Amino acid sequence: AQTVTQSQPEMSVQEAETVTLSCTYDTSESDYYLFWYKQPPSRQMILVIRQEAYKQQNATENRFSVNFQKAAKSFSLKISDSQLGDAAMYFCATCKAAGNKLTFGGGTRVLVKP
Amino acid sequence: GAVVSQHPSWVICKSGTSVKIECRSLDFQATTMFWYRQFPKQSLMLMATSNEGSKATYEQGVEKDKFLINHASLTLSTLTVTSAHPEDSSFYICSATGLAGTGETQYFGPGTRLLVL
Repeated sequence: AQTVTQSQPEMSVQEAETVTLSCTYDTSESDYYLFWYKQPPSRQMILVIRQEAYKQQNATENRFSVNFQKAAKSFSLKISDSQLGDAAMYFCATCKAAGNKLTFGGGTRVLVKP
Repeated sequence: GAVVSQHPSWVICKSGTSVKIECRSLDFQATTMFWYRQFPKQSLMLMATSNEGSKATYEQGVEKDKFLINHASLTLSTLTVTSAHPEDSSFYICSATGLAGTGETQYFGPGTRLLVL
C-alpha cells in the first residue's frame, strides 16, 4: 500500500515571497508518479505539477517547482513569487501506474498575505 | 484539453430518494474514471474506480448497492446514491484519466454538493 504524508496543516506566506510545502511518501513500487493538486475555495481540483519517478530532473511549471528526492521519498513543492490566487488547499498524491488510483496526503492550507 | 464536467453541481433531496450524478470527459476519451467523496476540511476519499464497459471496483467499506456506478461510454460515468440518507450528505468528485500523453494524470470535475434532508 502507498501512503502520503503532509506534515504542515497550514502555511502562511507574504505576497511575492516563496513558500515550500513538504510531502513524504512510502511505496513499494519501482515505477510511480507524483502529483501536486490545488483545491481553491471553489473546490475544483487543479493539477499543479506532476513528476515521473524515473525522471531525475525536477519538474517545473512556471512559478511552481518540485524538489524530488527519490531515496528519501520526499516530494516538496515550492511556490515562488506567491500571488493571492495561490491561496488554496494543496494535496500531494501518488499513483503506481497509468490508470491507477491516487493516494492523497491530508493537505496543506496555504494562506497568502497581501 | 482535459475538461471534466459534473452535473448537477448542487442537489438537495429528501431522505429515501435516489440521486444520480453525471461525470463527463468533454474533450478526451476517459479510459478510467474515479469517484471520490470529500468531507469538509478533509482529503479526498476514493470510493470506486470504473472502466468503460466493466463493473466498478469499490474501495473497502463502500457499499456497492448504495453507490451504484455505471460507466457506459468512454466519456460518461454516473454515480447513483440510492435511498439517500442525511449521512450521505457530502461533496462528491469524479476524475478521469486517458488524455493522450498523460495516461496516469487524473483530471477532476468541479464536484457535486449533495444535501439530504
